[in-house]
Amino acid sequence: GAGVSQTPSNKVTEKGKYVELRCDPISGHTALYWYRQSLGQGPEFLIYFQGTGAADDSGLPNDRFFAVRPEGSVSTLKIQRTERGDSAVYLCASSFLAGDTDTQYFGPGTRLTVL
Amino acid sequence: AQKVTQAQTEISVVEKEDVTLDCVYETRDTTYYLFWYKQPPSGELVFLIRRNSFDEQNEISGRYSWNFQKSTSSFNFTITASQVVDSAVYFCALSDRTGNQFYFGTGTSLTVIP
Repeated sequence: GAGVSQTPSNKVTEKGKYVELRCDPISGHTALYWYRQSLGQGPEFLIYFQGTGAADDSGLPNDRFFAVRPEGSVSTLKIQRTERGDSAVYLCASSFLAGDTDTQYFGPGTRLTVL
Repeated sequence: AQKVTQAQTEISVVEKEDVTLDCVYETRDTTYYLFWYKQPPSGELVFLIRRNSFDEQNEISGRYSWNFQKSTSSFNFTITASQVVDSAVYFCALSDRTGNQFYFGTGTSLTVIP
């Protein structure tokens, strides 16, 4: 079946602008995760959803970052007033069930560049 | 605190050589899970293996094998007879029993030279 998809694959924006990054999880997966990967680093957890609710948003760096998953499937990561330090690859992952450490399957990522 | 250390930043080997990627982890949990992911140049993380803390049996899958040793908090990954297609960044990751957060190492970039 189809894997996790993310759009756009690349996003270039100017400092101070607002951006939205989209994630389509694997069909039937109830848990969805967002990570940020800076150059030369491993992915860092941002937020995870179980269904429609954000079960853990402890990884969001500040209140400029927000994510939603209104229907329990597609999720959007929103970044307000972007800063150059937000430049990174934003990865989305999904798993069939949260908890019980089900394996997370990752999308190809969105490369965000803030000029 | 959870932490994963991959001390090898970059490794280069000649095709058909064996190579071992090291992973050392820290956790206070008694139940935890360890993972390896491969990230090829395309960027998508590809799941390779999951191992729980109660299963110390080594695992072999084709040319891949994993050595889990709780005594040294290590979960090393060996590729036998490496191939050019193995060139990628490999990440080791740790999660607690809930599996809600993964803690990744900084990755090891493997280059296999033909």
